Amino acid sequence: NAGVTQTPKFRVLKTGQSMTLLCAQDMNHEYMYWYRQDPGMGLRLIHYSVGEGTTAKGEVPDGYNVSRLKKQNFLLGLESAAPSQTSVYFCASSDRTGVEQYFGPGTRLTVT
Amino acid sequence: LAKTTQPISMDSYEGQEVNITCSHNNIATNDYITWYQQFPSQGPRFIIQGYKTKVTNEVASLFIPADRKSSTLSLPRVSLSDTAVYYCLVGDNFNKFYFGSGTKLNVKP
Repeated sequence: NAGVTQTPKFRVLKTGQSMTLLCAQDMNHEYMYWYRQDPGMGLRLIHYSVGEGTTAKGEVPDGYNVSRLKKQNFLLGLESAAPSQTSVYFCASSDRTGVEQYFGPGTRLTVT
Repeated sequence: LAKTTQPISMDSYEGQEVNITCSHNNIATNDYITWYQQFPSQGPRFIIQGYKTKVTNEVASLFIPADRKSSTLSLPRVSLSDTAVYYCLVGDNFNKFYFGSGTKLNVKP
């Protein structure tokens, strides 16, 4: 049981470039989430999904898009990266209560 | 988002009991109180959740007074491996959770 995995672990982008972060979970969870964590700060919810084919905006959705074509995968896209998007990105999944979320190891993204 | 207030940091020694208090004056009737732990370079990990009075599991205890405007996470006999950031969250739904900056616990030998 791998739990929640994230790809890639590290990435450096130049301003204006695009990329997609992949999150996969093998726990058959309905809910999945993308968070960002800036240095010394807590996590902020970017987007979430309550089931295959559904997505919704969280607290800080601007500049990001997401897709959930398969139940086990949740993709986070940056169409035109900006330095303000330099952060650590965490994916998580949970059952329908949403209380106990299982987090991935994170992706450290730097935008220069 | 329901805001919470926690101490920025705390120091402790191995073997001591550590109590971290969280204030949540505007907690709503349906809100639960949830605590997460985060080690450096890792995602947060669920510790415990409660609604009122006391909840205990194999890792920690959570004390919630009758007015529910605060809560205390109690870690018995901490070890060096308990050095982490601890987040208090309040809400009845995941999209109401506010992680805040958490409490950085430093356990010394």
